[in-house]
Amino acid sequence: DTAVSQTPKYLVTQMGNDKSIKCEQNLGHDTMYWYKQDSKKFLKIMFSYNNKELIINETVPNRFSPKSPDKAHLNLHINSLELGDSAVYFCASSQTVMAYYGYTFGSGTRLTVV
Amino acid sequence: AQKVTQAQTEISVVEKEDVTLDCVYETRDTTYYLFWYKQPPSGELVFLIRRNSFDEQNEISGRYSWNFQKSTSSFNFTITASQVVDSAVYFCASSGGNNRKLIWGLGTSLAVNP
Repeated sequence: DTAVSQTPKYLVTQMGNDKSIKCEQNLGHDTMYWYKQDSKKFLKIMFSYNNKELIINETVPNRFSPKSPDKAHLNLHINSLELGDSAVYFCASSQTVMAYYGYTFGSGTRLTVV
Repeated sequence: AQKVTQAQTEISVVEKEDVTLDCVYETRDTTYYLFWYKQPPSGELVFLIRRNSFDEQNEISGRYSWNFQKSTSSFNFTITASQVVDSAVYFCASSGGNNRKLIWGLGTSLAVNP
């Protein structure tokens, strides 16, 4: 079983569309994250949830809205997609809200906005 | 504030060479944790090692070894007898004892050529 699974793996869409990425973890971890990795490989945290509660909300356009229905799931909805949203989005989970355990990452979703 | 510096942007070696990837960290915390992650061309982020600030022992795992030196604030990663499969981007990261997110370096892209 995959520990952190996110779908879809690839997403190609037109500017202005709305899209969602789903993430699920079966590790029993309390905390989940969304990261954005740009073309230069820079990893930028976007959001984190601990037991369905929003913990980290970095400077991200409000077109991005995370939702965590339970501690095993964290989805990312993006409205009005722009060219600059093209990136790889990673979901990750951690045992607790403290980062010192490190993260387990999903395999990433490559979003291409055309 | 915490910071992680990976000064080497790209490294290219020939198979069977030894290679060291540098990581220098900055922190004011007395308790902190250091990590290395690997991102192969397939794109996933793979956890390699976690080290806490109280454990300065070097770690060896097969061809991989890590040298943690508090005196120089470094946590370097050495691959012995490199192989083509070691080609990847390697990220160093840190977390203070009470931090809720990892602080990432910009990554070092390693190319191992046959």
